[in-house]
Parts: sequence; C-alpha cells; structure tokens
Amino acid sequence: EVQLVQSGAEVRKPGTTVKISCKISGYTFTDYYMHWVQQAPGKGLEWMGLVDPEDGKTIYAEKFQGRVTLTADTSTDTAYMDLSSLTSEDTAVYYCAIPTMTDAFDIWGQGTMVTVSS
Amino acid sequence: DIQMTQSPSTLSAFVGDRVTITCRASQSISRSLAWYQRKPGKAPKLLIYKASSLESGVPSRFSGSGSGTEFTLTISSLQPDDFATYYCQQYSSSWTFGQGTKVEIK
Repeated sequence: EVQLVQSGAEVRKPGTTVKISCKISGYTFTDYYMHWVQQAPGKGLEWMGLVDPEDGKTIYAEKFQGRVTLTADTSTDTAYMDLSSLTSEDTAVYYCAIPTMTDAFDIWGQGTMVTVSS
Repeated sequence: DIQMTQSPSTLSAFVGDRVTITCRASQSISRSLAWYQRKPGKAPKLLIYKASSLESGVPSRFSGSGSGTEFTLTISSLQPDDFATYYCQQYSSSWTFGQGTKVEIK
C-alpha cells in the first residue's frame, strides 16, 4: 500500500523556519514527483511546488519562490519542505502529495499543522 | 498563470438533491482537470481526473464533464457523506486549484 506519512505539528515564531518531512512507503521513491500543498484556515488549497526525487529538480509556485525549499533524500525515502521567514499568514496545514496515474494528486499525506505565533 | 474560478462558493442542498458545481479556467486546459473532496481534518480526496474519469473506489453518483475552459462536477443524488468542500484543479500548465465550493445541508 502506498503511504505518505508526515511529521507532526509545529509551532514557530515569526521570522523563523520550519521543516516538515514526508516519508513514503509502498512504492519506488524516484517514480513520482513529490508535490506540496498549503491550506490556510478558511482558505483554499494552494500548490507550493514539487521536487523530483530522481535528480532533486524543483519547481516552485511564484507565491513561495525564495522562501520554500523542497528536497528529497533517496537514502531514507523522505521528502522535506522548508519554509523560511515565517509570518502569521503561513499558519496552515501543509500536505505532501503524489500523482501516480495522471498529473492529479491521488495519494496524500495526512497533513502537518504549522502555527506561527509570537 | 492559469486561474481557476469555481461557482458557487457555497451551496445548500437536501439529501437526495442533484448538485452541480462549475469550474472555469482562464485559458484552455483541454481535459487536464481534477476534482477533490475535502472534509475537516482530512486530506483532500481525488474524485475525478482527466475531467471525467472516476477515481477507483469513488461512488458512481459523482461525475465530471467538460473540456477547454468549462467544467462541471455533478453529484446525482446527494448523500449525507457528501457534505464537504470541493475543489477543482488544473494540471495543464503547472498546478492551480479553484477556491472551493462548500456543500452544506439545507
């Protein structure tokens, strides 16, 4: 069974950085791009970017460019999302997700809540 | 960037109603469109991909149609488990979600 298991909830102060992990199982890590999606309270889903675990290539959404870093560690089958210069606007649930059949996201992690508060 | 606009933002309906949600793309995306269902505290769930292909395990009361810039998600007979927020997503050029449609109990 394909699974994406994310790290636990985080609380950070404004201006700091958060790192979230997404550990995969049930498939070959390098077979699919790993995407990250943000959902802020009361807001919709927002695509943040992707990393290709095969070669580490990344594509970032313009909104997050310069603040987000996506990486993939093939030795541990784990993807990471770093988000820096946090503000209260970054308080949200963050999901990792993969497209295994088309480019739609059919497998999702359980989500990680990040709270930014002074 | 391709913008996705859903309507309505909120929809109130009875169990058993036929429900239709519309999604419009700012430019043609062919059939590169997906629909997701999201419930509070849970990850989004893929319902439809390629505009009209039903994801495995999704009830047949869900259907999708459209191509180019206009798409619809239809629930033929709303069930209690269907009250949730629905999002469209284009994946023709990068990835963009609509703003969501909340389906509420009337």
